[in-house]
Order: sequence, then C-alpha cells, then structure tokens
Amino acid sequence: AQTVTQSQPEMSVQEAETVTLSCTYDTSESDYYLFWYKQPPSRQMILVIRQEAYKQQNATENRFSVNFQKAAKSFSLKISDSQLGDAAMYFCAYRRHFNKFYFGSGTKLNVKP
Amino acid sequence: DTEVTQTPKHLVMGMTNKKSLKCEQHMGHRAMYWYKQKAKKPPELMFVYSYEKLSINESVPSRFSPECPNSSLLNLHLHALQPEDSALYLCASSQGAVAGKLKGNQPQHFGDGTRLSIL
Repeated sequence: AQTVTQSQPEMSVQEAETVTLSCTYDTSESDYYLFWYKQPPSRQMILVIRQEAYKQQNATENRFSVNFQKAAKSFSLKISDSQLGDAAMYFCAYRRHFNKFYFGSGTKLNVKP
Repeated sequence: DTEVTQTPKHLVMGMTNKKSLKCEQHMGHRAMYWYKQKAKKPPELMFVYSYEKLSINESVPSRFSPECPNSSLLNLHLHALQPEDSALYLCASSQGAVAGKLKGNQPQHFGDGTRLSIL
C-alpha cells in the first residue's frame, strides 16, 4: 500500500520567518504527482502547490516552494515570510492512477505574531 | 468562493433517520469523491466515481450509499448511522483518470464539507 508520512504533528513559526514541513512517501512507481494542501479552521481543503515526479525542477508558488528529492522519496514544503493567515493544518498528498489520492497525517502550523 | 458546493453545511440526525448529503460541481470534472474526516485527522477516502460509475469503494458500511445522477452531482445517502459516524464529510472533484492512463497533475477541488452529528 502507498504511504505518506508527515513526521511533524505540530510546528510553530514566527511571523515573517521561514518554516519547512516535511513529507516522505513510499512508492514503487515512477510516474506520480505530489501535492500540499492547507486546511484552515474554516475546514475547506485548499491546494497550496503541486509537483510532477518527472520534473526535476522544484515547484514554486509565491512564498511556497518544495524540495522534491525523488530518490529519497521526500517532498518538503517551505513557507517563506510566514503570515498569520498561513496558520492551518497542512496535508501532503500523493496521487497515483485510478484517481486515488493518499494523504499524510497532517502537520498543524502555528504562526506567532 | 468554493467551486464545489456541498449542502447542507451542518446536519444533526438520529440513528433511525434517513438523510442525504449533496455535492455539485460545474467545472466539467469527471471524477468525484467522498471523504470522511475526523478532527485533527486526514481525510479518509470513502468512494470514488469516475465518469459517473463507482470505481472505488473503500469497504464503507452499507449504511452509506453513494449516488452519481450525472457528471455534476454526487449524493451520499445516509441511513441508520451510528454515533461514530459523526464527522466532517468532504466532497471533492478532479479531472479524473481513465484506468491505466494518468491524466496530468490535476488536483482535487474540495467543498466546504458537511458537519454531521449523530445523536
């Protein structure tokens, strides 16, 4: 079975600082996609960033970037210039074919003013 | 505003009631999902519909019955639920993938969820 592991249940960062959330996954496939989702208390799951496994270049979306290490099966999320609105649960997700997405257990991010 | 609309936002029901959760999207997505989410846990996949056909059932109890009347609508019919079924139920959609052919890097788009409480 596919597994996605987020080893940090909770993290804190000072406003305007940088924080990195870790994610590792287990797969025998070479073609897949990885995502980071954010779920604030309002509860809607919001896509933060995505990465295609065949791309060597790390994805970037404004203050959010990933460090994708395919050989190590690692997909960490870096948030720069943290803002109060970044406080949320962050879920790493792996997608295989047949439409199935696998989610990690989540990391709760606290942002201190 | 979310592109996936779920109704109702909150639902309280007794264990003998019959109710339905509804989900609607107009993005032309052909894969739709039901998830159950307990507090501080990741979403747990329940069902996947691909091109209006049930493609994945994650061994969900029969008291949950999904229905996909058309490509825009997804229902979850509830009957004789248990207190442990109280949770947030999330609907999602994506462009989908036909068996053996991964269709790009399309993410899932989620609704706001229905908060279900079983008395």
